Amino acid sequence: DAKTTQPTSMDCAEGRAANLPCNHSTISGNEYVYWYRQIHSQGPQYIIHGLKNNETNEMASLIITEDRKSSTLILPHATLRDTAVYYCIVNFNKFYFGSGTKLNVKP
Amino acid sequence: GAVVSQHPSWVICKSGTSVKIECRSLDFQATTMFWYRQFPKQSLMLMATSNEGSKATYEQGVEKDKFLINHASLTLSTLTVTSAHPEDSSFYICSARWGGPRETQYFGPGTRLLVL
Repeated sequence: DAKTTQPTSMDCAEGRAANLPCNHSTISGNEYVYWYRQIHSQGPQYIIHGLKNNETNEMASLIITEDRKSSTLILPHATLRDTAVYYCIVNFNKFYFGSGTKLNVKP
Repeated sequence: GAVVSQHPSWVICKSGTSVKIECRSLDFQATTMFWYRQFPKQSLMLMATSNEGSKATYEQGVEKDKFLINHASLTLSTLTVTSAHPEDSSFYICSARWGGPRETQYFGPGTRLLVL
């Protein structure tokens, strides 16, 4: 079963930062936090992952709280193409997807 | 990122026939691949873990005799839906685990199956 909870949907204005929260209060010490997104009728796309430290790549930043019970994915300048369902997954070995957050980027 | 392909991208078949879906890791070797199923407006559901050189392990409630998995090589896993029925119509997605320094899974584009 998924060990994460995310808001069902969020809106964001184009060009603004999108901050997507995820709660994972039962995360184990050796489990990473992964973020993927799925655009309609496509396979999930990898975004970023981390264990304890904050991470940044060309797509996004991942902020993990010190107790590791929650995290936030930040898309610094959202575009219309970032409209998708975003999944936060806590994993040691297998991925169990929750319902994700539908991000609507509006002009 | 690493590339995973699936073939075919969509397939229509008659009820009672079998359908094979291929999943390939194009630029890396994957000892472990995964198969998921996604129904409309739902999330991905893990079906099974495919391990190269050994039997697949299935999630609870997934019939192993209906969904045959073969991990023939380090770059290829196949899922065969046997005696397909209309309720098997779904979006089937595979992923391959990349075991580099920052291990993660890369997903294929998915295969849409319609059983008539």
